[in-house]
Amino acid sequence: DTEVTQTPKHLVMGMTNKKSLKCEQHMGHRAMYWYKQKAKKPPELMFVYSYEKLSINESVPSRFSPECPNSSLLNLHLHALQPEDSALYLCASSQILTDTQYFGPGTRLTVL
Amino acid sequence: SQQGEEDPQALSIQEGENATMNCSYKTSINNLQWYRQNSGRGLVHLILIRSNEREKHSGRLRVTLDTSKKSSSLLITASRAADTASYFCATTSNQAGTALIFGKGTTLSVSS
Repeated sequence: DTEVTQTPKHLVMGMTNKKSLKCEQHMGHRAMYWYKQKAKKPPELMFVYSYEKLSINESVPSRFSPECPNSSLLNLHLHALQPEDSALYLCASSQILTDTQYFGPGTRLTVL
Repeated sequence: SQQGEEDPQALSIQEGENATMNCSYKTSINNLQWYRQNSGRGLVHLILIRSNEREKHSGRLRVTLDTSKKSSSLLITASRAADTASYFCATTSNQAGTALIFGKGTTLSVSS
């Protein structure tokens, strides 16, 4: 199974809502990532988890809160987002930090 | 932050022609990877070349790496309409904490 799944596929939320994005992989990978991608731009790294510990936080605003409950799951909790946070949120995983990353299909987030 | 710069930003070719995309980067790297992204979807890994390798092949793909010039190229031979996508180079380096840093990407259009 070389698949990374993400739910939901689409999410529309108001600026006062609290929502969560979910990512799952069953490849035994020990590194998992969240990226944010705006239209016609490359993915921008947000967070990296290695062996379920947060290893990189790229100065992301606190309204984004990552969580890694176990080695297969990665969540991104959203609270009090701004319209400029609307983007495609991509999850990825890899065996180790420098290895090939496998990406999920993304969650298209719209903040009203 | 972005490490790589792809060239050209956009490329339009006919089916059967070859497509060449170039990538330049700034710091020393562990490896360089190429990814493809169809419109609004997740990224698909194409090929990884390590810093001590100079050339790698995978099917219709050929990647070269010149660490002295801090550049890489991706050649797609005998292109097909299905190759239409955005192509990103991405690097890992100790300076970036081994996280994957993407270039700006090349948008390839292959017409039949």
